[in-house]
Amino acid sequence: QVQLVESGGGLVKPGGSLRLSCAASGFTFSDYFMSWIRQAPGKGLEWISYIGSSGTTIHYADSVKGRFTISRDNAKNSLFLQMNRLRAEDTAVYFCARDPPGQLADYWGLGTLVTVSS
Amino acid sequence: QSALTQPASVSGSPGQSIIISCTGTSNDVGGYPYVSWYQQHPGKAPKLIIYDVSKRPSGVSNRFSGSKSAYTASLTISGLQAEDEADYHCSSYTSSNTWVFGGGTKLTVL
Repeated sequence: QVQLVESGGGLVKPGGSLRLSCAASGFTFSDYFMSWIRQAPGKGLEWISYIGSSGTTIHYADSVKGRFTISRDNAKNSLFLQMNRLRAEDTAVYFCARDPPGQLADYWGLGTLVTVSS
Repeated sequence: QSALTQPASVSGSPGQSIIISCTGTSNDVGGYPYVSWYQQHPGKAPKLIIYDVSKRPSGVSNRFSGSKSAYTASLTISGLQAEDEADYHCSSYTSSNTWVFGGGTKLTVL
């Protein structure tokens, strides 16, 4: 069965950095686009980035462009999100998700909480 | 990349039907057949219940259905059950090759 497990969240000061990881299993990871989606406390979902199956296609939401970098390691079935210059408004639960062709997020991880606070 | 517009809350009694709307623009909902709906119970990860406007993933109840007209997509839940009480989120592909979500709708089963 498809499993996505995020890790790397925690408390970080404004301006700091954090690297999230997502370990995938139960499907051929290298066949799928992957997305990061976040949810601030008590708020709706916000798509922030996706990466193509080979890693050459990448897009970001304007809110994170220039600060966040998505990447993947198909040999290790892993997805990453490098987050730099973090702001208080980046505080959220970060989910990784699998994207079938032409779709967004058919399977989700349980999420990892990132808190940006001094 | 403005968020799609959903009502903040809707409610209905068991057995009734409800509709949740999701309004965008010609650059997202109106321009592509790639609208999805997600159900999210408190403290849980979202679950895909509708994709490509009106398709249901395997295992999702046929009480859930989706449609689209112009710039507005809709999720209909028929035969409301207590377990349907949750937050519902819509999403759409956009002309910027990105995805956008709505603000989410809280469904209360009275």
